[in-house]
Parts: sequence; C-alpha cells; structure tokens
Amino acid sequence: DTEVTQTPKHLVMGMTNKKSLKCEQHMGHRAMYWYKQKAKKPPELMFVYSYEKLSINESVPSRFSPECPNSSLLNLHLHALQPEDSALYLCASSQEGTTNTGELFFGEGSRLTVL
Amino acid sequence: AQSVTQLGSHVSVSEGALVLLRCNYSSSVPPYLFWYVQYPNQGLQLLLKYTTGATLVKGINGFEAEFKKSETSFHLTKPSAHMSDAAEYFCAVSDRSGGSNYKLTFGKGTLLTVNP
Repeated sequence: DTEVTQTPKHLVMGMTNKKSLKCEQHMGHRAMYWYKQKAKKPPELMFVYSYEKLSINESVPSRFSPECPNSSLLNLHLHALQPEDSALYLCASSQEGTTNTGELFFGEGSRLTVL
Repeated sequence: AQSVTQLGSHVSVSEGALVLLRCNYSSSVPPYLFWYVQYPNQGLQLLLKYTTGATLVKGINGFEAEFKKSETSFHLTKPSAHMSDAAEYFCAVSDRSGGSNYKLTFGKGTLLTVNP
C-alpha cells in the first residue's frame, strides 16, 4: 500500500473548468513534489515544496497552481487547461536535509483528461 | 549536469529467463542511483537504491543491481523472470550537489515484457 495518497484517481474536465488534485502523506516528509507523466515517457518534474514553501517551479504554465497548506498536504489547482495537459499527475514526497538521498515516495497518480 | 541512459526501450524475455536492464549515468559527483518500477496506470515504486557502501544492492521482488563506477553503470538483474515482472522500469540518478532539494533525473524507461 502506498503511503502517499492521491485523489481523485481519474478526472475529466473541460477547458473552462476549475478543478484540483490532492495529495496527502503521513511519513513526516518535508519535501513534496508534483510530476507530470505522458504515456510511455518518464515523469517530468513540475514543482517542489520544501518545508511548505515553493522551492522549484520548472517553468510550468500558470494554468497549473500548486498549494501546500501544511506539511502533509499538497494540492494542484487546475484552470483553463488544454487537451495537451491530459496526463498522469504524480505526487511524491521525500525526506529533507542531510537525510535526503533523493529517494522519492510516489502516489498512484491522478489520471487527467482534458476535453 | 547529470543524465541517465537506458539501453533498450523494450526488452522481451521468456518466463524463467534472466532479466537484464541496462542503465548508464553521468554525474559530476558520486551519485545516488535508483531503479523504479511502474505497473500500468500506477505510480512509481522503488525497487532498489545505491547511496554508499556495498556496490551490489538487493531490492524487492528478487531484483538486484551493481554499481560500477569505472563503467558508470547500474544495471538491473533478476535471475528468473516471472509474468508479474512485466512493467516499465526507470533508472534514475540524484544530484546530491544541489543543496537541500535533490532533483531526480530519470532515464527514458525500459518496457519489460515476459512471455509464457
């Protein structure tokens, strides 16, 4: 069983909709990540939060808006998406500081379809 | 800059045969290395990792990998394939020179199919 939980597992939205993806972890990790994965491709890093502060934004379009309300929760707010944004969105977490080896713990993903 | 090359986007083996998935990396500092597995419509699960110490690393589901610095390789092996091993496998390297956040660089992935 994964210790990183993502909801919803599947989401279909129109280009004018506003929706959110949610991620929760209870491993005490202080770094959380959003990745985007297209079919038959490796995950692509979108955002990194460290101690609830945004530390990396990989030049992601503003129609994707991340939020980290506390150390256990990570949201990705979606607005005015394009069909090419359809993908599997993966949340991950990791330890921080000197114990961080770069190992990521992934959720099972949210499959997003934009019509 | 670090990078990962996985040789072979698709590997097909018979059930019971040896599995060998190849991974080569480049890194300016001693790397942390990982193998992840992804089953269809699921997230990534860590198979094994190399950080320091013993260069032969054992992971879950009977997989192991050997870190060879001289060859800059971290190939994944399993002596006997099982049908349940069919999945996408990603090799990844972590740049530990980047401060408190480590960016994981993934290879392009190798799809393993297991034939009965």
